[in-house]
Amino acid sequence: NAGVTQTPKFQVLKTGQSMTLQCAQDMNHNSMYWYRQDPGMGLRLIYYSASEGTTDKGEVPNGYNVSRLNKREFSLRLESAAPSQTSVYFCASGRDPTDTQYFGPGTRLTVL
Amino acid sequence: QKEVEQDPGPLSVPEGAIVSLNCTYSNSAFQYFMWYRQYSRKGPELLMYTYSSGNKEDGRFTAQVDKSSKYISLFIRDSQPSDSATYLCAMSAIFGNEKLTFGTGTRLTIIP
Repeated sequence: NAGVTQTPKFQVLKTGQSMTLQCAQDMNHNSMYWYRQDPGMGLRLIYYSASEGTTDKGEVPNGYNVSRLNKREFSLRLESAAPSQTSVYFCASGRDPTDTQYFGPGTRLTVL
Repeated sequence: QKEVEQDPGPLSVPEGAIVSLNCTYSNSAFQYFMWYRQYSRKGPELLMYTYSSGNKEDGRFTAQVDKSSKYISLFIRDSQPSDSATYLCAMSAIFGNEKLTFGTGTRLTIIP
């Protein structure tokens, strides 16, 4: 039982490049979330998926897109990376939006 | 002014001491309060959850909410080196992970 896994662990991009962050959970959870964590800003929600087939914007969605590929997988895409998107990105999942959410280990992204 | 304020620390205390971690908030509608623990290079994990005012105890951990002062605390008794981590408070007015506002976290080190 791996819980929530994220790939890659580290990534360096140049401004304007695109990439997709992958997240998968093996706990049969319905809800999944993408956060970013920046020094002095705390965790901020980018997008979430309350259940398979639905996605909604969080606090800071600009510059990102998401895909709930199936019940297990929830990906985050940066179409044209900017230095302001340098951050640590966390994926999380929970049985439903009111249940405990379990976080993955994070992806450390640097945009030059 | 941020909705949730948390002293970033760092806070260093000797092993066995009682630790007090605190958050203040400005939104009087907040009624769901959580504490997360985040080890270095890991994702956060839920430690304690309380609703409205009062205390909640779980082993060496006690969460306290004072809604009249808009102030929440986490106490750790008999602190251990394994308690060394960053502690994040989180809160919301409506029950739901997508509604949470996180503090920036306090970094705690327990000195053996």
